[in-house]
This record gives sequence, structure tokens and C-alpha cells, in this order.
Amino acid sequence: EAGVAQSPRYKIIEKRQSVAFWCNPISGHATLYWYQQILGQGPKLLIQFQNNGVVDDSQLPKDRFSAERLKGVDSTLKIQPAKLEDSAVYLCASSRRQGNEQYFGPGTRLTVT
Amino acid sequence: AQSVTQLDSQVPVFEEAPVELRCNYSSSVSVYLFWYVQYPNQGLQLLLKYLSGSTLVKGINGFEAEFNKSQTSFHLRKPSVHISDTAEYFCAVSDPEGRDDKIIFGKGTRLHILP
Repeated sequence: EAGVAQSPRYKIIEKRQSVAFWCNPISGHATLYWYQQILGQGPKLLIQFQNNGVVDDSQLPKDRFSAERLKGVDSTLKIQPAKLEDSAVYLCASSRRQGNEQYFGPGTRLTVT
Repeated sequence: AQSVTQLDSQVPVFEEAPVELRCNYSSSVSVYLFWYVQYPNQGLQLLLKYLSGSTLVKGINGFEAEFNKSQTSFHLRKPSVHISDTAEYFCAVSDPEGRDDKIIFGKGTRLHILP
């Protein structure tokens, strides 16, 4: 089966600009996760969806980050406006349902200058 | 809240030598434990997981890990490493009694294989 797809793979923007990342989970996976991985650290969960509903967004900086999964399939993560400290790899993962193994996409490497 | 400590940020090992990557987690009544591997410019891939049962868990690529409840550890081992094992390794924990299946990751250990 196809894995988790993410685009773009790389993005360079200036601070205060906006950016959006896209994720298409594995077909049939109900749960979708967005993680932020800053260089030298482990991934940190930003938001978790179960179908099209949010399960956990406690670590999402809601003043500048937003995410949606309107039809319960693919998802978009947006940053507006970006700050220098947002430079990181943004990983998307999916699982068949909560508690099951998570499968990760290749990530989007964001550089904010 | 659960937390994970990976004691070594980098581990250099000669090819064909054994390796152990250390991981300790904060104490809890029950835990699920994971090791993930991240090759350069790729996402994370599950190496192995402990959910219950036997404390010795075997994973892919010849890796294994042992759950030690008394020492709250879940160290990863491989008897003989290969150059292709060069990657970053993340230990992770989740709470099976929790409301969600949030996984908490350690900071990672970079494994350098020396020729």
C-alpha cells in the first residue's frame, strides 16, 4: 500500500510570510497527526485528528498555526505569519485508529529566514 | 506526564561491533514503549514496540530491546552493526491508560558507524 504522502518536501520563506503543508494519509487510516521536529530534538505532537475531528491540539500555537482535515482524509497545516523559530521538519503520520502503530511521511523541511 | 530520556546524543561504533542505545522513561503503572529510526531526509520508521508480554522484543534489521520495569529502561541493542545502520534513533513512550494515544519522543541518539 502507498505510504503517507507529504508536500512540499522543502520550503524556504521569509519571516512574516505564510506557508501551507499538505498530507495525504494511508488509505483507510482514521487518525492523522502533525508533528514538529526541531533540529536536534525528537518530534513534538502539534495536532491529532480522528476522522475530521480534533482529538488533541494542546501544543499547537493557535495564534499562528492552523490545521484542518475537512473530509477526514487529507490534511493541511498552515503557519501565518511564520517566525524564525518555526524552522523545523513538519512530519505527518497516520494510524488505522487511535492506539495503533503510526506510519510517518517523509516530512517537509521548512526554513524561515 | 510521561517523559523519555535518551542519555547519549551521539554514539560512535565500529562496523560489526555491538551497540546499545540507552533509554529511560518516567515511571508509570503501565506503558507502551517504542523505538523508531530516522534515516537522513526521511520520516520515522518503527523498529520495534513493547505493549505487553515478553520483556525481550525483537524488531526489524536485527535490533532488539529489553523492557526493564524496575529500572524504567528500554535499551536498544544490536550484536553487530552495519554501515547502513547510520541513522538517528528515537525512543518513545505512550500511556495505554490515557485518553488519547499521544506518543512522547526522546531527543534522539545519532548512531555513527565507523569503518
